[in-house]
Amino acid sequence: KAGVTQTPRYLIKTRGQQVTLSCSPISGHRSVSWYQQTPGQGLQFLFEYFSETQRNKGNFPGRFSGRQFSNSRSEMNVSTLELGDSALYLCASSSDEDTEAFFGQGTRLTVV
Amino acid sequence: AQSVTQLGSHVSVSEGALVLLRCNYSSSVPPYLFWYVQYPNQGLQLLLKYTTGATLVKGINGFEAEFKKSETSFHLTKPSAHMSDAAEYFCAVSRMEYGNKLVFGAGTILRVKS
Repeated sequence: KAGVTQTPRYLIKTRGQQVTLSCSPISGHRSVSWYQQTPGQGLQFLFEYFSETQRNKGNFPGRFSGRQFSNSRSEMNVSTLELGDSALYLCASSSDEDTEAFFGQGTRLTVV
Repeated sequence: AQSVTQLGSHVSVSEGALVLLRCNYSSSVPPYLFWYVQYPNQGLQLLLKYTTGATLVKGINGFEAEFKKSETSFHLTKPSAHMSDAAEYFCAVSRMEYGNKLVFGAGTILRVKS
């Protein structure tokens, strides 16, 4: 069974640009969550999607958005990038029957 | 609101010694509790979890944790540290009514000395 796949693994963007990150969950998982990890703030919850609907949202500005497709794949978008958006972005998927979240390897975003 | 406190941002042990990583949580109702491990430039891997039932939970790689409601704690232990245990460990909490949202502690970096 394939794990959670995040693409790309590494990304370098310039301030003011926008970026889209992709996450393919484990087959059969309908829940996809996104987290931002930085040395200063640690692991912070961005949002969760379940069956194409946003179910939970963290305390991030509106520049951070996401969506989920009918095949459960999810994307997150960050517009008007700031230097502080440099982070490891992690995606996790969960099944309906279990509380366990399976994480991808993350996308390392560097904003210059 | 839920919160997680991990005591000690860095813990150093000798190979073969006991590993004890501390975690305290704050939640108005019994939460689900998790320990994750992260190796450099990797995602998070679940070590163990507590949802309901037995309060002593056994996980992978010889780790275990005990849920103590009276102390609001969920400390992670391993009887004998191995060099391969060197990594960063995160305690996390969730609640059923919040879906799969995890609230993480700040993490503890475990160093294992030979």
